[in-house]
Amino acid sequence: DIQMTQSPPSLSASVGDRITITCRASQSISTYLNWYQQKPGNPPKLLICAASTLQSGVPSRFSGSGSGTDFTLTIGSLQPEDFATYYCQESYSSLYTFGQGTKLEIK
Amino acid sequence: QVQLVQSGSELKKPGASVKVSCKASGYTFTTYAMNWVRQAPGQGLEWMGWINTNSGHPTYGQGFTGRFVFSLDTSVSTAYLQISGLKGEDTAVYYCARNSGDYRGFDVWGQGTMVTVSS
Repeated sequence: DIQMTQSPPSLSASVGDRITITCRASQSISTYLNWYQQKPGNPPKLLICAASTLQSGVPSRFSGSGSGTDFTLTIGSLQPEDFATYYCQESYSSLYTFGQGTKLEIK
Repeated sequence: QVQLVQSGSELKKPGASVKVSCKASGYTFTTYAMNWVRQAPGQGLEWMGWINTNSGHPTYGQGFTGRFVFSLDTSVSTAYLQISGLKGEDTAVYYCARNSGDYRGFDVWGQGTMVTVSS
């Protein structure tokens, strides 16, 4: 089974900062990688699919890159509403494994 | 608009069963597969499996065989998750989520159903 490892598990940053979250797959998954944002008490929201395709309505400060085993989610200039937990997910194996999450907190 | 509306919170005793519903609207139900995702309190997301909304064939993820059953009623565009023999570790929020297709993630989510198992 494919394992998905995110780093860091948590991150403190300030409004206006540029941050990057990393997701590593235990084997190559091409670009079958999705990113979600989850705020407390809410379901996850799909931000990016296929490693780099921004979902409709998602601000352009969000971007994704990578292929094979290494992927990144970048937020170009943090806004107050971006503080949340972010998950990666592989959709290569049809087991749809999620990473363990990265909690983004306000510094 | 496209949405998934789940049934309300449940409080169950150990050993009991629970059935969570997920009603779809705003799209053709049988066009997209439906997934189930579990989130224990304070924990991450865990994919439970999915059901083919055309054939009704379920696929269960690791750790979700035996006590977990996915089913459908296509006449009312609703997917169901039934859990039997409830244990304390089943306490979690359960989400249904539509698979957008072509390996592009889960684009529509239900609001979640909290299932609490306690004596």
